[in-house]
Amino acid sequence: GAVVSQHPSRVICKSGTSVKIECRSLDFQATTMFWYRQFPKKSLMLMATSNEGSKATYEQGVEKDKFLINHASLTLSTLTVTSAHPEDSSFYICSARAIWAGTSVDYGYTFGSGTRLTVV
Amino acid sequence: AQSVTQLGSHVSVSEGALVLLRCNYSSSVPPYLFWYVQYPNQGLQLLLKYTSAATLVKGINGFEAEFKKSETSFHLTKPSAHMRDAAEYFCAVSVGGGSNYKLTFGKGTLLTVNP
Repeated sequence: GAVVSQHPSRVICKSGTSVKIECRSLDFQATTMFWYRQFPKKSLMLMATSNEGSKATYEQGVEKDKFLINHASLTLSTLTVTSAHPEDSSFYICSARAIWAGTSVDYGYTFGSGTRLTVV
Repeated sequence: AQSVTQLGSHVSVSEGALVLLRCNYSSSVPPYLFWYVQYPNQGLQLLLKYTSAATLVKGINGFEAEFKKSETSFHLTKPSAHMRDAAEYFCAVSVGGGSNYKLTFGKGTLLTVNP
């Protein structure tokens, strides 16, 4: 199957500092990575779509200068929360769709295990 | 634009009882539909997906879902609930089969299983 590895799983940082979250596709090439934010007892809100080698596309209302996304390779995408504040505390999840071009096998969307960010 | 509506934010069943989680979709093109399960502080795990093949889709852990175009529904069922099925369930829709098509999620249904 397809695996997306997300790190760290949990991070606590001081207000005003920056935090980087990494997502790696372990056994497939993720040309597109999706970044979600999930509030307690809420659904997943798509923040942005990152494409390898190009700028990310942000959803309406998401501050691109606060949530920096880099997708420099086909297996790594990062989300950096800059100058974090307590209201940025949330659960962040990445996702990619794994499709093997040669066989057209579609594993659907695979999700990382999530990162619990707490800003104090 | 596509959307998903999950009827019932909370469903409670007894162990051994039928599980029915409802999902209705809206899409201007034939949709790709998914059900995911999420345990506390974890990512999402795919239960099953519909990608325009068979309308009755069997997934993991004994779950299945039926795509009904006339009703724009994709309800998730399991004949007999287990305690380990207690979790949050999300229905999601995508309008394309490529890796660049985003998923739109429903608000989720929390399933509790009573002993």
